[in-house]
Amino acid sequence: GENVEQHPSTLSVQEGDSAVIKCTYSDSASNYFPWYKQELGKGPQLIIDIRSNVGEKKDQRIAVTLNKTAKHFSLHITETQPEDSAVYFCADITDKLIFGTGTRLQVFP
Amino acid sequence: EAGVTQFPSHSVIEKGQTVTLRCDPISGHDNLYWYRRVMGKEIKFLLHFVKESKQDESGMPNNRFLAERTGGTYSTLKVQPAELEDSGVYFCASSQVANTEAFFGQGTRLTVV
Repeated sequence: GENVEQHPSTLSVQEGDSAVIKCTYSDSASNYFPWYKQELGKGPQLIIDIRSNVGEKKDQRIAVTLNKTAKHFSLHITETQPEDSAVYFCADITDKLIFGTGTRLQVFP
Repeated sequence: EAGVTQFPSHSVIEKGQTVTLRCDPISGHDNLYWYRRVMGKEIKFLLHFVKESKQDESGMPNNRFLAERTGGTYSTLKVQPAELEDSGVYFCASSQVANTEAFFGQGTRLTVV
């Protein structure tokens, strides 16, 4: 069945450095790829998304890239700040949202 | 505008008991989804309502789980009888258009002891 692989499972960076999280999906029919941020005690919050007709999308310090041929998509956070610390989930959609396993990002001041 | 709200935020019950979780979606959202995250693993799909109808319940683990959405507004997810492996965080989400931007509630942490 459909699955989404996400790496790494944990990521520690120094404040100001960049962080990259990568995902791979299996269903070539997938056409919408959201990224969610989950902070402690809260539900997942959509932070950025990309559709299959676009290769890259940027929103301030956050960018997402999509390689449909390789079925890869990645989240890039630049100039990380301590408040970026959270669990990040990638997902894709065919007939339902399928989530990756999550990446726990820690940004040290 | 109120977001997706879930109740309770935490629940601790004994094995064999019954628990009912509630989700109030964003007003006007016909699509309502239930997800579950068990022991730090991925967030797994349980089911999808469109208004009061079950569009997809392929993720429901077994017949101990019953979801309802009477009247197409709020939804409940009942676990009866609860087992230890049902422990986890149950999320509800809603969206205006199916399988696009979905907004999540804060989740209900269920612990079965």
